[in-house]
Amino acid sequence: DADVTQTPRNRITKTGKRIMLECSQTKGHDRMYWYRQDPGLGLRLIYYSFDVKDINKGEISDGYSVSRQAQAKFSLSLESAIPNQTALYFCATSDFVGGTDTQYFGPGTRLTVL
Amino acid sequence: QKEVEQDPGPLSVPEGAIVSLNCTYSNSAFQYFMWYRQYSRKGPELLMYTYSSGNKEDGRFTAQVDKSSKYISLFIRDSQPSDSATYLCATFERGQAGTALIFGKGTTLSVSS
Repeated sequence: DADVTQTPRNRITKTGKRIMLECSQTKGHDRMYWYRQDPGLGLRLIYYSFDVKDINKGEISDGYSVSRQAQAKFSLSLESAIPNQTALYFCATSDFVGGTDTQYFGPGTRLTVL
Repeated sequence: QKEVEQDPGPLSVPEGAIVSLNCTYSNSAFQYFMWYRQYSRKGPELLMYTYSSGNKEDGRFTAQVDKSSKYISLFIRDSQPSDSATYLCATFERGQAGTALIFGKGTTLSVSS
């Protein structure tokens, strides 16, 4: 089984709809992240959480919110989806061990907002 | 100026070629440097990481950091079609527990047989 899973894998929705993307991990890591990836723009950090009580905004948090329900679960919500939120979304986890921060990514969710 | 710059390519080479992928960074406090590989329709996966300056070798892959010029490189020897992917460099500042990774935009590599 995959260590980092994302649901759904693909989603098509309409402008104005509320969308939730979910991430679960079995790696036992405290740190979890949400990124979006767009052609030509690379990976951009949306939100990150270093433990259940710690939530931080990333580079592009406007229009998004997150919830860290448990150490293993981190969900991303788009309260009112708009077309420029069409992108590939990745969840990642990491453990800051020995001074390094290796991130492990999920398979991604392809979101299309019409 | 973004903190990590990376030429997006695309880069096309024949099988067996030596590939050089490069990034530059702006913050001299960065000490850990990583290369991630991302296959089409997959999430990125860590390929190699290095600390401070110098080289690190793993099979056909060599990661090199030149802190004096703020330049990081990934060399792939005897490239194979299976190396076709997007390669992302990443870094963070040691000691900054509240800092997430900073990624370059990625370079897309295509190796033809």
